[in-house]
Amino acid sequence: DTGVSQNPRHKITKRGQNVTFRCDPISEHNRLYWYRQTLGQGPEFLTYFQNEAQLEKSRLLSDRFSAERPKGSFSTLEIQRTEQGDSAMYLCASSPLVSGNTIYFGEGSWLTVV
Amino acid sequence: GENVEQHPSTLSVQEGDSAVIKCTYSDSASNYFPWYKQELGKRPQLIIDIRSNVGEKKDQRIAVTLNKTAKHFSLHITETQPEDSAVYFCAAKAMNSGYSTLTFGKGTMLLVSP
Repeated sequence: DTGVSQNPRHKITKRGQNVTFRCDPISEHNRLYWYRQTLGQGPEFLTYFQNEAQLEKSRLLSDRFSAERPKGSFSTLEIQRTEQGDSAMYLCASSPLVSGNTIYFGEGSWLTVV
Repeated sequence: GENVEQHPSTLSVQEGDSAVIKCTYSDSASNYFPWYKQELGKRPQLIIDIRSNVGEKKDQRIAVTLNKTAKHFSLHITETQPEDSAVYFCAAKAMNSGYSTLTFGKGTMLLVSP
C-alpha cells in the first residue's frame, strides 16, 4: 500500500499522559500536514512541513503539542499532558511539491483521553 | 484567514434523485476548491476539485460549479445511489501559496435511501 500510513490507529490514554502518533507519507511527497477532526466537524489544520522544515503552525497547536519531521520523511505528533479536549482523530496528509494542491489523507489516529 | 461555510449539514434524498451541497468562502485569494468524501471511520478522499480559471467541472455523476464573484461553489451529484451516502467536505486554498493550507467546511452528511 503506497498511501499515507498512520499508527497507532487507536489510542486510549489517561488524562495527563503523553501520546505520540506517527505518520509515513506517500514516498516522494515533500509536503506533510497534520489535521485534527472531531465528530461532526471538518478537518482543522494543525501544522505543515515542507521536507524537514515546519513552515506553519495553527494557533490550535498549543504548547503541549509538538510535531517533528527530522529527516523529511516520516513525522511524529506528540501531545503532552493530554486533556479530555484532545480526544479527536488526528489526520496526517501529504502532497507533492510540484502540483501539490491535492492532499492525500491517511486513515487517521483516533485518540480517546479518559 | 480563510473561512468556509457549508450547507446543509444533513441531506436526505431518495435513490435516483439529485443532491446539491453549497459552500461559501471568505478569502478572495482562494483559487483551489476540492471536495472530499468521507465514509464512516475512513479517510477523507478527494472526489473532484476545481480551480478558479474554470466555472464548472464534471466527472460522471458529479459536478462542481464555481462563482468567484459571489465566492461560492457547489457540488452536484446526479442519479444518487446508496453508496453515495457519506459525509462530504468542501475546502478552499490559495494555490501556489507556499504557506497556505486547505480550510475545510464542517461537512454535509448525505443519506441516500433505496
